[in-house]
Amino acid sequence: EVQLLESGGGLVQPGGSLRLSCAASGFTFSSYAMTWVRQAPGKGLKWVSAIGDSGATTYFADSVRGRFTISRDNSNNTLYLQMNSLRGEDTAVYYCAKALGTTCYSGFDYWGQGTLVTVSS
Amino acid sequence: QSVLTQPPSASGTPGQRVTISCSGSSSNIGSNYVYWYQQVPGTAPKHLIYRNNQRPSGVPDRFSGSKSGTSASLAISGLRSADEADYYCAAWDDSLSGWVFGGGTKLTVL
Repeated sequence: EVQLLESGGGLVQPGGSLRLSCAASGFTFSSYAMTWVRQAPGKGLKWVSAIGDSGATTYFADSVRGRFTISRDNSNNTLYLQMNSLRGEDTAVYYCAKALGTTCYSGFDYWGQGTLVTVSS
Repeated sequence: QSVLTQPPSASGTPGQRVTISCSGSSSNIGSNYVYWYQQVPGTAPKHLIYRNNQRPSGVPDRFSGSKSGTSASLAISGLRSADEADYYCAAWDDSLSGWVFGGGTKLTVL
């Protein structure tokens, strides 16, 4: 059974940093691209970032490029999202999702339960 | 504003068929697959349709997807109260080099 478990969310001040983790199990993690999607309170889904199966290829939404970094540890089946220079508009539930294939444009199937990030003073 | 355009709401009575549209452009829907996700408020999104019209195992055949040009649609037949949820379309955008979502459609079963 595919399982994705996000952690690392919490309350952070504007300008601060946070690192999210997504622990994966139930599939061969190193064979699939992964992605982060966020959802602000009461709003729709917004894509944040994606990383290819090997970690060599990454993509970012314009709103986070230069502030967020995505990475993965295939030996420990874990996906990361390093978030710096956080702003109020980054407040959201952050979901990690597994891609259907090795590339970032494969589409995604399984989603984690999400972790809440609140940026506020 | 979302890159993909969906109606904010849709409704139907039990047993009816409803359709949710998703409009994009040549750089996203026009040149890439469309995916659909179902989200019951307070829970994580669920994979519903992939590659325009494919259903993952476990998704009833009451759900179907289609695509034509730069638009796509999700049809739900034999509507049930359990189908009440938010529905999102998504596609890769070649110009943005990233994923774009529709704004979501809230489906109400009357």
